[in-house]
Amino acid sequence: EADIYQTPRYLVIGTGKKITLECSQTMGHDKMYWYQQDPGMELHLIHYSYGVNSTEKGDLSSESTVSRIRTEHFPLTLESARPSHTSQYLCASSETGGRINEKLFFGSGTQLSVL
Amino acid sequence: AQKITQTQPGMFVQEKEAVTLDCTYDTSDPSYGLFWYKQPSSGEMIFLIYQGSYDQQNATEGRYSLNFQKARKSANLVISASQLGDSAMYFCAMRDLDDKIIFGKGTRLHILP
Repeated sequence: EADIYQTPRYLVIGTGKKITLECSQTMGHDKMYWYQQDPGMELHLIHYSYGVNSTEKGDLSSESTVSRIRTEHFPLTLESARPSHTSQYLCASSETGGRINEKLFFGSGTQLSVL
Repeated sequence: AQKITQTQPGMFVQEKEAVTLDCTYDTSDPSYGLFWYKQPSSGEMIFLIYQGSYDQQNATEGRYSLNFQKARKSANLVISASQLGDSAMYFCAMRDLDDKIIFGKGTRLHILP
């Protein structure tokens, strides 16, 4: 089964802090995604990447930024966290090959709380 | 723009009964993929089943089957012989040719003993 890791699992921080949520995968997947999900609600795509040096914004406007310097690593950064950023952030990746049926493999998520 | 619609916020079903979770979608792409994911209270996302837009037959995976009606743009998930462990949130998702994968609002399924 796929291996995709997110750290930290839980994060509680104060307003105005800069934070980076880590996401790494060991399957060599080119495509990676970040979703934001409030409890019991839908997943909103906020960022995605086709590969190294490729980043795209998703459907939900987000103040976060991402980078993709290495295939296996897709970190998400908030320069100045606010209470409105409190949510769960899910990272996912999928296989290459251009096949439409490539399913997403998800990490365990980071639950962010900004006080 | 692509869109996924799940109109059932919550459902209650008796154990061992079959259940159908509705999903309709909207896309202008001729080629797309449809997925169903399960999210238990633990928060993990579990892949259940996939249907391609050009697949002639409905997809099946164990107790899960997908009722794909392309003309109606619907991709309903059918769970046969429901179990208590099926209680979870269920999300329908679609991948388009741009490789964006969008999700519906989800349906919370409760299985009653």
